Amino acid sequence: EDQVTQSPEALRLQEGESSSLNCSYTVSGLRGLFWYRQDPGKGPEFLFTLYSAGEEKEKERLKATLTKKESFLHITAPKPEDSATYLCAVQALETSGSRLTFGEGTQLTVNP
Amino acid sequence: DSGVTQTPKHLITATGQRVTLRCSPRSGDLSVYWYQQSLDQGLQFLIQYYNGEERAKGNILERFSAQQFPDLHSELNLSSLELGDSALYFCASSVRTGEKYFGPGTRLTVL
Repeated sequence: EDQVTQSPEALRLQEGESSSLNCSYTVSGLRGLFWYRQDPGKGPEFLFTLYSAGEEKEKERLKATLTKKESFLHITAPKPEDSATYLCAVQALETSGSRLTFGEGTQLTVNP
Repeated sequence: DSGVTQTPKHLITATGQRVTLRCSPRSGDLSVYWYQQSLDQGLQFLIQYYNGEERAKGNILERFSAQQFPDLHSELNLSSLELGDSALYFCASSVRTGEKYFGPGTRLTVL
């Protein structure tokens, strides 16, 4: 069974204080790893897809990386508007259909 | 704005009732996915349709059913509602197996 574990559950940063969020996964074969941002009461917003170990993608202050067992979401010099829950999800090669299995998320708060 | 629309935004109903949630995917997307998000369980996959046909099932209760129509919009039917069915219900769409774009969700409250 595919599993995704995110850590920490919650993270408080000061504006400008860089940090990383972790996503560990167990999957029979990885088709893709996805990062989403979710604001309270809203739908998840797509950020990145990573397909193979060593791949990196960047968007503004966010950078996602992938290894064979985990992914990191690095946040450089965060701003208060980066406060949200960040969700990691995997899509397995052998999964029927193309469903995503999500982790519980990391709730990020950036204080001014 | 992801391009995925869901109606209604909020739904308040009583136990034992039946409701229908509606989703319109992004233009050109053939796959529709339904997810449930409750406070204690995170995002749980319910069911996927691809071009009108059921493609995959997740943790969907027998009291729940879904369908995708020829115009590709989808409906999720929830019947014999229980208090524990209160949650956010999200629809997502994708072209094939790539990125899934989520709608704004329907918040269901069962009293």
